[in-house]
Parts: sequence; structure tokens; C-alpha cells
Amino acid sequence: QSALTQPPSASGSPGQSVTISCTGTSSDVGDYKYVSWYQQHPGKAPKLLIYEVTKRPSGVPDRFSGSKSGNTASLTVSGLQAEDEADYYCSSYAGSNNYVFGPGTKVTVL
Amino acid sequence: EVQLVESGGVVVQPGGSLRLSCAASGFTFDDYVMHWVRQVPGKGLEWVSLISWGGGNTYYVDSVKGRFTISRDNNKNSLYLQMNSLRIEDTALYYCAKGRGSSITSCPDYWGQGTPVTVSS
Repeated sequence: QSALTQPPSASGSPGQSVTISCTGTSSDVGDYKYVSWYQQHPGKAPKLLIYEVTKRPSGVPDRFSGSKSGNTASLTVSGLQAEDEADYYCSSYAGSNNYVFGPGTKVTVL
Repeated sequence: EVQLVESGGVVVQPGGSLRLSCAASGFTFDDYVMHWVRQVPGKGLEWVSLISWGGGNTYYVDSVKGRFTISRDNNKNSLYLQMNSLRIEDTALYYCAKGRGSSITSCPDYWGQGTPVTVSS
């Protein structure tokens, strides 16, 4: 049950795009379509942004998009806004009825 | 509106026990799997446990197997986490989270605000 790998930080100016990678293994990200992404503002509970690699829950802006290639999933935030400054976590179903999270990426809007 | 309210977090000594509760409302509780996820302050998220919609199947991260027990009471719309043989490294904010569906592969979608557990002598 090893954690997924994410860059510790990412940044972009308002209106730009930022992409966060999430690298796992062939036993989790690479083997399942069950990758999800969460946004967490300081002192708040996580919020689901993306599930099953590419799907957005209702109410999540289409500025947030997900993709996957091999063992690496990605979250892209387009048209960065000030309120997008937060921590972002990826998660994957890891088989054997377990889930793993990444360590989180702090996104800064410059 | 989905609401999840955790309770039961306190300061406990190493080796002690604790029972966390999560009161759910705003959705048909027994239609969904439920998760517990924890977060050390200032650190990342760690998935802890999952229970099937009916309560008959339970799953745990290796570090808590044999020490923690997840359960649910669908009549009371409540989720629980019995924590025994607590260790200092169990110190964290514990979140209750609703699964997106009834499958074991249903990721958490709605989360409570968390209840803090501190294990310290």
C-alpha cells in the first residue's frame, strides 16, 4: 500500500493552466479506472473534483479535468482563479479492497 | 443536502481505546459504502477503512488491521470506528466520508469536518 507520488508544489498566474501529475504503479493507477482528485482549502474538508479518471461531479467547473496514461494520472486546472489556490490530492483504488492517496500538491496562484 | 458529522475524538494515552461516530443525513445511508480517512495536521490524507453498504464487508489499511473496527448502524444512519491499542502515530484528524455508490470501488465524495484524535502520554 505505497502512497502515490505528486509534486509538492505547482503554480500559475490567473488565467493560465496548471497540470498536476500523480504517479502510481501497475497495481493501482495503471490497473484501474478508479482515480480521483480532491481539493482541500486550509482548515476545510476535502472536496471531490474528479472521479473515475475523467468524470466531474455536478457543480464542479469544467475548468477541472482529469486524464491518465499508464501509471500516471493528471489533473489540469485551466483558467486559474484565485480561489483555486489550495492543496490537491490524487487517490486510486489499489486493489485488494484498499485505497491510496498521494502526498498532495500545493497550488499557488501567482 | 448531505451532512456528515463526526464525534468522539479526544486525547487518549498510548494503548488506549476510542470510538468515533459519524451521523449521516441528507441521503439514503444504506445505499452507499462509507469510508474513514485520516489526516495528520499539516500532512496528507491516508485512507483508513471502508465498509460495505450492508455492513457485512469491511476493509482496512495494513497499519490498523487488528486494532480498528469499522461498523455501521443503518437504522440510525451512523458510522463508527472502534480504535483499540492506539499508537502515537494514530494521532490525526479523522474524516468520515460517503462513498459515491454501493461498490467497493466507490471513492469518497462527501466528507465531514473531521474529529481530532490525539494519542499522547
